[in-house]
Amino acid sequence: GAVVSQHPSWVICKSGTSVKIECRSLDFQATTMFWYRQFPKQSLMLMATSNEGSKATYEQGVEKDKFLINHASLTLSTLTVTSAHPEDSSFYICSARDLRFEGSTNEKLFFGSGTQLSVL
Amino acid sequence: GEDVEQSLFLSVREGDSSVINCTYTDSSSTYLYWYKQEPGAGLQLLTYIFSNMDMKQDQRLTVLLNKKDKHLSLRIADTQTGDSAIYFCADGTYGGATNKLIFGTGTLLAVQP
Repeated sequence: GAVVSQHPSWVICKSGTSVKIECRSLDFQATTMFWYRQFPKQSLMLMATSNEGSKATYEQGVEKDKFLINHASLTLSTLTVTSAHPEDSSFYICSARDLRFEGSTNEKLFFGSGTQLSVL
Repeated sequence: GEDVEQSLFLSVREGDSSVINCTYTDSSSTYLYWYKQEPGAGLQLLTYIFSNMDMKQDQRLTVLLNKKDKHLSLRIADTQTGDSAIYFCADGTYGGATNKLIFGTGTLLAVQP
């Protein structure tokens, strides 16, 4: 099946530093990728929709200057948490839709394995 | 906004059936999904059901949908220890750039040998 690689799997950083998380589609191309965050015992919350070659679309309440998204190619989207603080500690998951099925239902949406971010 | 709710935990014995329940609020839902999350792995799509269907069966998995009550369930027959994981239901709308998923809180299924 289709594979989405997310890197790193976990990261620990000091408060005030920036952290970049990569999401790659390995065997398909994706014009649309999604970034979620998940707090313990809570659901995955959609943060933003990453669009190749254009600006990301952020969900209400998500700071675009805090969570920078770059979707520079059809196989890579990055999420940068700028000036990270302890409250940004969370599990971040990306997903990518095979562009051959753009506009179709979500069965062609594939998820990365997630990144656990801990900010000290 | 849309909301999807699940119970947090379910424990069953190996060989028994498991039933995981989910309720949602969005009346415009087109498709409803069940995902499985194992430690260190991404979400894996298990099955999905179109909103005009009442039931869908796929090997050991049976999905029941009560659209009137906005209630979705996933039944796993002959549950195995390898089925232990977190199960998420998700509510999806159909169509283009607005096609996004709203997830429930996830149900941790623990299968006792």
